[in-house]
Amino acid sequence: AQSVTQLGSHVSVSEGALVLLRCNYSSSVPPYLFWYVQYPNQGLQLLLKYTSAATLVKGINGFEAEFKKSETSFHLTKPSAHMSDAAEYFCAVIWGGATNKLIFGTGTLLAVQP
Amino acid sequence: NAGVTQTPKFQVLKTGQSMTLQCAQDMNHEYMSWYRQDPGMGLRLIHYSVGAGITDQGEVPNGYNVSRSTTEDFPLRLLSAAPSQTSVYFCASSGTTKSSYEQYFGPGTRLTVT
Repeated sequence: AQSVTQLGSHVSVSEGALVLLRCNYSSSVPPYLFWYVQYPNQGLQLLLKYTSAATLVKGINGFEAEFKKSETSFHLTKPSAHMSDAAEYFCAVIWGGATNKLIFGTGTLLAVQP
Repeated sequence: NAGVTQTPKFQVLKTGQSMTLQCAQDMNHEYMSWYRQDPGMGLRLIHYSVGAGITDQGEVPNGYNVSRSTTEDFPLRLLSAAPSQTSVYFCASSGTTKSSYEQYFGPGTRLTVT
């Protein structure tokens, strides 16, 4: 079955350090890929999306992600973490077709240490 | 535009009670869906609809019913609430063309079943 995997349910970084959150999908057909962020007790906000245009996608708040077909990956990065980046991050996939079924990974909780 | 709205924000039910979670969008989106969010499990798709009069099951449909009589509204019904349905529920909507795959989420409904 098609799925999306986020490695690391909890990631902790120091303020100013590189943020790397991993996402892999299981399909030979390139999907549409998304990263969402959820701040405590809030809804989901779209960070960025890949829809088969440029493989390096820039999003809001300094985040970016690179689509690597050979590795079936779409890892999220930010060069320098800020305290306000502490949140839960979800990778999600649409495999196209007739519906917009969005399938989520299990999420990665990012902690930023001062 | 209000975007995607959900009511109520919080609800407590006793086992066996029924209720309807409301979802409405004012963006004329064809596609609407319901997710539940549980710790460590990400968001799981319950039901979705590709247009008025058309609904289908997602990953975890048991115990839930939906209908789509208008483009704007997509209510989720719990017929006989169970403690396992304690969760946060999110409604989402999107267009159905490649350029509009981005899904917009409501603020969520936090449901507790005792």
